[in-house]
Amino acid sequence: GAVVSQHPSWVICKSGTSVKIECRSLDFQATTMFWYRQFPKQSLMLMATSNEGSKATYEQGVEKDKFLINHASLTLSTLTVTSAHPEDSSFYICSARLSRRRVHEQYFGPGTRLTVT
Amino acid sequence: AQSVTQPDIHITVSEGASLELRCNYSYGATPYLFWYVQSPGQGLQLLLKYFSGDTLVQGIKGFEAEFKRSQSSFNLRKPSVHWSDAAEYFCAVALNSGYSTLTFGKGTMLLVSP
Repeated sequence: GAVVSQHPSWVICKSGTSVKIECRSLDFQATTMFWYRQFPKQSLMLMATSNEGSKATYEQGVEKDKFLINHASLTLSTLTVTSAHPEDSSFYICSARLSRRRVHEQYFGPGTRLTVT
Repeated sequence: AQSVTQPDIHITVSEGASLELRCNYSYGATPYLFWYVQSPGQGLQLLLKYFSGDTLVQGIKGFEAEFKRSQSSFNLRKPSVHWSDAAEYFCAVALNSGYSTLTFGKGTMLLVSP
């Protein structure tokens, strides 16, 4: 089946620094990737949608200058949390689709736990 | 805007007993409906989905779900729970378009007692 990986699986960084999270589709090409944020006991909140080669579309309330998303290839998307603060601590999950129009073929990475101290 | 409600934050079921996890949605039309399972260290895995047709949907790992339009519900069931089913379960909806994005419920944590 389709596999999506994330790296790192967990990261601790100091307040004010930036951290990059990678999301890779290992055995398929993903024209569309998604980034979610999950708080404890909460649902997954969609942060942004990215299509390969174009700018990401951010959901309302998500700061695009703080959460930089790059989808440079069909197998790699990155999320960079810039000038991280403790309130950015969360579980970040990426997801990839085989094509934009196949909502039922969306595969999820294992997530990255970010802790900002 | 569409929304998904999973009224049970956590449920404990004895191994071998039956299971039903509830999901209600709010949307003007019948959306696409999904159930995912999230285990520690693993990504969300699709258990089953409903797009149209037969309202009783069979999924992987022995799970099934029934779409009830009159109740705006899509409850997940399993006749006999195994200890390995302990995980968090998410109901999700999407507009009835392949281009749409998923909206998730808050999840239900399933605990399985011996």
